[in-house]
Order: sequence, then structure tokens, then C-alpha cells
Amino acid sequence: QQPVQSPQAVILREGEDAVINCSSSKALYSVHWYRQKHGEAPVFLMILLKGGEQKGHEKISASFNEKKQQSSLYLTASQLSYSGTYFCGTIRRGNDYKLSFGAGTTVTVRA
Amino acid sequence: DTEVTQTPKHLVMGMTNKKSLKCEQHMGHRAMYWYKQKAKKPPELMFVYSYEKLSINESVPSRFSPECPNSSLLNLHLHALQPEDSALYLCASSQADSTYEQYFGPGTRLTVT
Repeated sequence: QQPVQSPQAVILREGEDAVINCSSSKALYSVHWYRQKHGEAPVFLMILLKGGEQKGHEKISASFNEKKQQSSLYLTASQLSYSGTYFCGTIRRGNDYKLSFGAGTTVTVRA
Repeated sequence: DTEVTQTPKHLVMGMTNKKSLKCEQHMGHRAMYWYKQKAKKPPELMFVYSYEKLSINESVPSRFSPECPNSSLLNLHLHALQPEDSALYLCASSQADSTYEQYFGPGTRLTVT
């Protein structure tokens, strides 16, 4: 079952912040975040395994609320290079560790 | 070397053709994946190989046939495809199972005419 991502798209100016949310109706084992630029392969950003865990990748960080089965990706002081489509991927407990991707959030950062 | 390579980059085939997509990784990863991605959609899991054995088949039509000749190689054999099978086919690998980060190849853009 596919996780739900929001918003669908966001437009930022350089230096602005944004939050992308990912939620599931099922109990999650882990949440993965990937970024895909146009015409390129998805690139791994981070995995969150434990409830409450927070991780960072440069000025991109994420949190995982295990009780709510929600994860949020934080883009801080956005740069032009942050543009792309961000996918959250979730692994549900007890489903053979299949990674299901959300519909994606398209981020456009403008100068 | 964190690279997953895929060949060919582009493939155009007729509905009666037989073709194969190839994927290779030299990271010592023991899990390999095939995904299908349509434009403006997320990758959809097709197959998972774990330690060279097929562990997951997401009810993919039999016109797609995966093969894992060894731990570094993954093939996807195509036969009698339909125009709706046109998509970007991505290969990925991970250290073990899906709980580890996956490294994606650049994909094969497939067009079925």
C-alpha cells in the first residue's frame, strides 16, 4: 500500500525552507527518502528506522514519528541543487520488506 | 564504486520482438531489484532477487522474465510486450534486503511500438 505524500509540488526561492510529509495507514518498519532529478535515477538521501529518529544530509533532515506512522523531510535554506522530485518509500512491518514509494513531491528552487 | 550500470539506455521494440535488459553492480550487494517507472509517477517494484534467488514477484505479467545469473548481474527478458509497457525500467541494488539503501542505475527507456 502506497504511502501518502504532501504537498504534491512546492516552489521555493533560494534560501527558503520547506517541509514534505509522508504518512501511512499501516505500521511501518522504516521510511526511506530519495530524490530524483529530471532524466536521472533516484538518489538515496536517508533511512529512518526508529520512532523519533532524525537524520540529516547536508541541510536536508528528516524525522520519523512511529506513533503516527509519519515522516517529514525538511529542506532548510534551500539551494538550486535541491530541485527535483522527492519520494518517500516505506517498508511496512511484516510485508517481506517491500519498499513502496509515495507519489512524490516536485520541488522547484528558483534563484 | 557505488555504480549500478544498465544497458541499453534506450530500446525500441515491436510487440513480437524478444529483447533483454541488463544490469550490473560491483558493490558486493546481495539484493537486486527491477522497477518500472512511468512519467511523473514513482518507481513500481517488479521483482526482487535476494542472494541470487527470486524472493518477490509483484504479480508481473509473464511477458517479463527476470534472471539473476550471478550476484553481480540481473537481466530482464522481454517478450510479446504491449505498448502500455513503455516506461523507464530501473535496476537497483542494496547490501542485503530492502531495509538498506538502494542504489539505482540510470535506467533503460523502453518504447514498445
